[in-house]
Amino acid sequence: AQSVAQPEDQVNVAEGNPLTVKCTYSVSGNPYLFWYVQYPNRGLQFLLKYITGDNLVKGSYGFEAEFNKSQTSFHLKKPSALVSDSALYFCAVSSLSGNTGKLIFGQGTTLQVKP
Amino acid sequence: EPEVTQTPSHQVTQMGQEVILRCVPISNHLYFYWYRQILGQKVEFLVSFYNNEISEKSEIFDDQFSVERPDGSNFTLKIRSTKLEDSAMYFCASSEGALAGTGELFFGEGSRLTVL
Repeated sequence: AQSVAQPEDQVNVAEGNPLTVKCTYSVSGNPYLFWYVQYPNRGLQFLLKYITGDNLVKGSYGFEAEFNKSQTSFHLKKPSALVSDSALYFCAVSSLSGNTGKLIFGQGTTLQVKP
Repeated sequence: EPEVTQTPSHQVTQMGQEVILRCVPISNHLYFYWYRQILGQKVEFLVSFYNNEISEKSEIFDDQFSVERPDGSNFTLKIRSTKLEDSAMYFCASSEGALAGTGELFFGEGSRLTVL
């Protein structure tokens, strides 16, 4: 079965410091990996995705993620955190079953950036 | 920037009542989805819809649930007889292409359903 794990419920980081939000996955076949962010009382916003190609993917708001096939990981990173980055982050994998595939989400990681 | 819009933002209903949640996907998108998020839990896939039919559904999407695209713009989720455990935030999403290709999901802000 396809699954996504985000091992940290919360990540705390000081503004200006680098941040990492961890994600590991389990899929059969090639994984299609996504990161979404959810601000309070808002829907999920797409940050970035890995389909194929370079293992380092760059996305919105200065975020990037590194696909590591051997470690089955897709950690989200940012070199310098902002207070406005504080939100709930979801990693997701596409199952590719059916005609369109569906997203399987991790449980989410709350990122708290302190000034 | 085009966006997915959902109505109502919050609906309170009595157990056993029918509820219809409405969504207007982005106009040139061809794939439509419903997800839900029970408070404090992960976002769960309910159903995907393409070419006027369900392309995939989860085990959550039982006979109480149905989806429809009644016209060229709306995409609705109907819960026939609500249960307490249906209380959740329901997210509509749409994508231009399939996820396996270049598609990415654009989510609405959600409809919060509270079943009493």
